Amino acid sequence: AQSVTQLDSHVSVSEGTPVLLRCNYSSSYSPSLFWYVQHPNKGLQLLLKYTSAATLVKGINGFEAEFKKSETSFHLTKPSAHMSDAAEYFCVVGNTGFQKLVFGTGTRLLVSP
Amino acid sequence: DAGVIQSPRHEVTEMGQEVTLRCKPISGHDYLFWYRQTMMRGLELLIYFNNNVPIDDSGMPEDRFSAKMPNASFSTLKIQPSEPRDSAVYFCASSLGRLAGTTGELFFGEGSRLTVL
Repeated sequence: AQSVTQLDSHVSVSEGTPVLLRCNYSSSYSPSLFWYVQHPNKGLQLLLKYTSAATLVKGINGFEAEFKKSETSFHLTKPSAHMSDAAEYFCVVGNTGFQKLVFGTGTRLLVSP
Repeated sequence: DAGVIQSPRHEVTEMGQEVTLRCKPISGHDYLFWYRQTMMRGLELLIYFNNNVPIDDSGMPEDRFSAKMPNASFSTLKIQPSEPRDSAVYFCASSLGRLAGTTGELFFGEGSRLTVL
């Protein structure tokens, strides 16, 4: 069985400072990992994905994530936060042959001026 | 493309009433998923379809919930009778091909917020 744990329910940063959203995964197989973003009153949108190619994955809006097998982590980062980044972020895992994705509980990112 | 379209966006109803949520997937997508999002349980997969056929409904909470997909461009999620604990945001999502074989990308609608009084 696979699962993801998002270590922080809320993260607060100031505009222009770095963002770090933490995610650990558990998977019996080689996982596929994703980050989705949900803006208020909107559906979820794919931010980036890791599917066993490069371990450093770049996504939209300047976000990136690094797959670290030894640490079973897939943390999401951005060098400089923007007000528009305020949203909820979900770490997601799927395995080879998957059709059902497993979503984490989400991390709400708050960005202050 | 207009994306995944859900209706209604908001529904307030009384306990015991029937609720029908509707979804139009992205044209050409062959997988359709229904999710439920609550503060307590997060995002839960209820059921998914492939080429209009239900594949896995193990997430459907109980017999009060039913879902249909009569054609490739329309799906419904019905709750009858509704209960206060059904209050949640219900999302429909679609994808092209198997997730494992493509981008792993689900395209979500904006959700239907259901409140059962």
